[in-house]
Amino acid sequence: EAGVVQSPRYKIIEKKQPVAFWCNPISGHNTLYWYLQNLGQGPELLIRYENEEAVDDSQLPKDRFSAERLKGVDSTLKIQPAELGDSAVYLCASSFSGGGPYNEQFFGPGTRLTVL
Amino acid sequence: RKEVEQDPGPFNVPEGATVAFNCTYSNSASQSFFWYRQDCRKEPKLLMSVYSSGNEDGRFTAQLNRASQYISLLIRDSKLSDSATYLCVVIRSYNTDKLIFGTGTRLQVFP
Repeated sequence: EAGVVQSPRYKIIEKKQPVAFWCNPISGHNTLYWYLQNLGQGPELLIRYENEEAVDDSQLPKDRFSAERLKGVDSTLKIQPAELGDSAVYLCASSFSGGGPYNEQFFGPGTRLTVL
Repeated sequence: RKEVEQDPGPFNVPEGATVAFNCTYSNSASQSFFWYRQDCRKEPKLLMSVYSSGNEDGRFTAQLNRASQYISLLIRDSKLSDSATYLCVVIRSYNTDKLIFGTGTRLQVFP
């Protein structure tokens, strides 16, 4: 079974440029998460989708970050314009949330962003 | 103060050693607890859930102390392949799947 797919794996851009990351979750997973992981830190949630609805975006810096999951399957995270401090790994995760206790989240390999 | 705190390490241990990691969490209402493993430049993967009664999976034992708000992970008979970062993870309530990660503890097992 295919895991969570993310692209690109690496991206180098200059500050003030826009950038977009794409994620395709595990087939059948209705919940999708975007996390940010800085060097030497644990991942931090940016946004969580249940199907196509963003149910928790409290940690998303909305002045420059946006995300969408239009058909409730794959998702795009965008930064415009990028700043030096955005250099990090952007992880996508998915799970099947059936209303019960914790449902394991499976992470993709991440996109490593470097802003110059 | 971070909600989930861990000693970042690194812990450098020889093969065959027993090593223990601790983690503390500040939100007393936290409901679910986990250990994730993250290899260098890889994604985090669930290692094991942590229960109040303690649980064991092969060479790995996890314990939860709700009164003291700390979680532990014990690795016995360390293998070279155990070298990784171990992330302590907490969920605040049963109504959310939001994972709160610690900074991770790096383990390096040497021959």
